[in-house]
Amino acid sequence: KAGVTQTPRYLIKTRGQQVTLSCSPISGHRSVSWYQQTPGQGLQFLFEYFSETQRNKGNFPGRFSGRQFSNSRSEMNVSTLELGDSALYLCASSLGVPGLDGYTFGSGTRLTVV
Amino acid sequence: GENVEQHPSTLSVQEGDSAVIKCTYSDSASNYFPWYKQELGKGPQLIIDIRSNVGEKKDQRIAVTLNKTAKHFSLHITETQPEDSAVYFCAASNSAAGNKLTFGGGTRVLVKP
Repeated sequence: KAGVTQTPRYLIKTRGQQVTLSCSPISGHRSVSWYQQTPGQGLQFLFEYFSETQRNKGNFPGRFSGRQFSNSRSEMNVSTLELGDSALYLCASSLGVPGLDGYTFGSGTRLTVV
Repeated sequence: GENVEQHPSTLSVQEGDSAVIKCTYSDSASNYFPWYKQELGKGPQLIIDIRSNVGEKKDQRIAVTLNKTAKHFSLHITETQPEDSAVYFCAASNSAAGNKLTFGGGTRVLVKP
């Protein structure tokens, strides 16, 4: 079956711009989570959506937001980009039962802010 | 919140030898502990996980042990092969708090032929 699909794979944006990243989960998975991966901070949780509702949120500023659609596809948006937002953004999907099923990650979107 | 520490940060082993990666966690309520392998250019891939009601779990050459009292868990890879070279991450979560994983800092494993 198809895995988690993230688009685009690479993105270059200028400081101050905004960006939208997309994630299509595995068919049947209702939970989508987003993580930011950087060499300095490692993998950090951004937020989780389940059945179109934000179920959990990490410690990121309000410039980071997301949403989930009725088909479980999810988007995350970053407004007023800063140089420090350069990172690999990973989407992960699961059936949605915390602690009982593991995540499947996509290959990520590499965002570079210049 | 939860804090997960992972050691060592790099590990070099000879092909055929064993590799051990250790993680400690801070939140005694954490009850789910997955391990991920990340290869260059790819997202993390779940390789094994363990829940707090189990002390040890094995899947072919990979095993994970959990010590709830000491709040640490370890990944053991036996008979290492060059394709085991990757970055490995441990993580912890409290299922009562939702589907949020707190990751360790990662271990870069190099298996030398």
